[in-house]
This record gives sequence, structure tokens and C-alpha cells, in this order.
Amino acid sequence: GAVVSQHPSWVICKSGTSVKIECRSLDFQATTMFWYRQFPKQSLMLMATSNEGSKATYEQGVEKDKFLINHASLTLSTLTVTSAHPEDSSFYICSARGTTGGFSYEQYFGPGTRLTVT
Amino acid sequence: QKEVEQDPGPLSVPEGAIVSLNCTYSNSAFQYFMWYRQYSRKGPELLMYTYSSGNKEDGRFTAQVDKSSKYISLFIRDSQPSDSATYLCAMALSNYGQNFVFGPGTRLSVLP
Repeated sequence: GAVVSQHPSWVICKSGTSVKIECRSLDFQATTMFWYRQFPKQSLMLMATSNEGSKATYEQGVEKDKFLINHASLTLSTLTVTSAHPEDSSFYICSARGTTGGFSYEQYFGPGTRLTVT
Repeated sequence: QKEVEQDPGPLSVPEGAIVSLNCTYSNSAFQYFMWYRQYSRKGPELLMYTYSSGNKEDGRFTAQVDKSSKYISLFIRDSQPSDSATYLCAMALSNYGQNFVFGPGTRLSVLP
């Protein structure tokens, strides 16, 4: 149980275009979803936290107009990287927390999406 | 000083060795302590969590928390090549809904 999927797993796009990444909780309702980015050999950096039906809370230094987050349902959150640039190339990972009956602090992570901007 | 520090490694050990992974932290308010394992190009998966101080054992894994020293450890007994991964510690405050703070991770290689 508690499976989180991400789509796509890998995407290459041209500079200036927008890319949407989906994060889905497959077998539980995710009241809160988190978006992280991870550069090679570095740890997870939290970008934003979103609760279903409300606006996302962005971490300091993260441009909310560039990284659009929508948490429209209890099983789906999307991250759209707008006007992507090569420096946005990274590994984007989502996690979900919800009513699974397990450890209340548990965050279930998706497999990640590798974004390459050329 | 970073909020959570962890030796990035890489740490190479022979199969069967006991592995010790550690994190130190600066915020004494942290109450929940987690260890995640992350294989290359995959999302992290939770290995163990501990509330406050003490030890917790699960199979070959033992987690220790020493709040007085602001130091946590993960021990892996009888290490296997399949344990080769990056191990991330994470911490959370006492209130539900607080975000996790992750350490930078330690890369472990268990050599057959």
C-alpha cells in the first residue's frame, strides 16, 4: 500500500517551453503533497507544500510564478515548470502524506522525474 | 551551520560488515527522526522512524537517537550488496504538519 506515482519519469524539453509533472497517490488520499528537487549527489530540497484545494506554500527562494503547483484532488498534484531554462534541469520528486493509518509523519515518495532542459 | 549534517561518503564496506551511518543536528526541538534509503534515480523509501530518544530495531537495522548530543545513528548488520544506496536522515518537529528537514545523505557501497 501507500504507492505514489509520477509521470513522466524522464522528460527533455527545449529552453523556453513549459513542462508539467504529475504526482498521484494510488491507494490512499493525500491531504498534503510536497515537491522536492534534488541535484546530483545532493539532498532533497523542499520547493513547496500543497494541501488539497488550497494554494501551495512555497519555500523561500522558490519562484511561485515559475513553478506552478496545483493540488486539485486528494490523489493528484501537478508541478508545471514554466519557461524552463537549462538551470532548471534536475530531479523532481513528490511525496504525499495522508490518511493511510500508518505513521502520521510518513511521507510516501514518488519515483521522481528527471527533467533535462536543452 | 547547516540544520542537519551528514557525512556524504562515499562509504565502502565489504559484504557482511556492520555499517554505521550518522547525522548531527542543531535544532533541539526536533522530535521525530527518520532514515530513508534512496537507490540511484529513485525516490526515497522510509526505513525506520523514531520518536524522541532511544533505540529501535527492525531486522538488520537499528536506529539510535541521542537527543542530549543531537546525534542519530543507523546501524546495518550483515550488510549486503543490495544495501548499496544513499541513506538520508530526516527530522521533524513535534507538531503535525511540520515539514521534514533532510540531511544531505551518505552514499554506501557494499562490496561483494
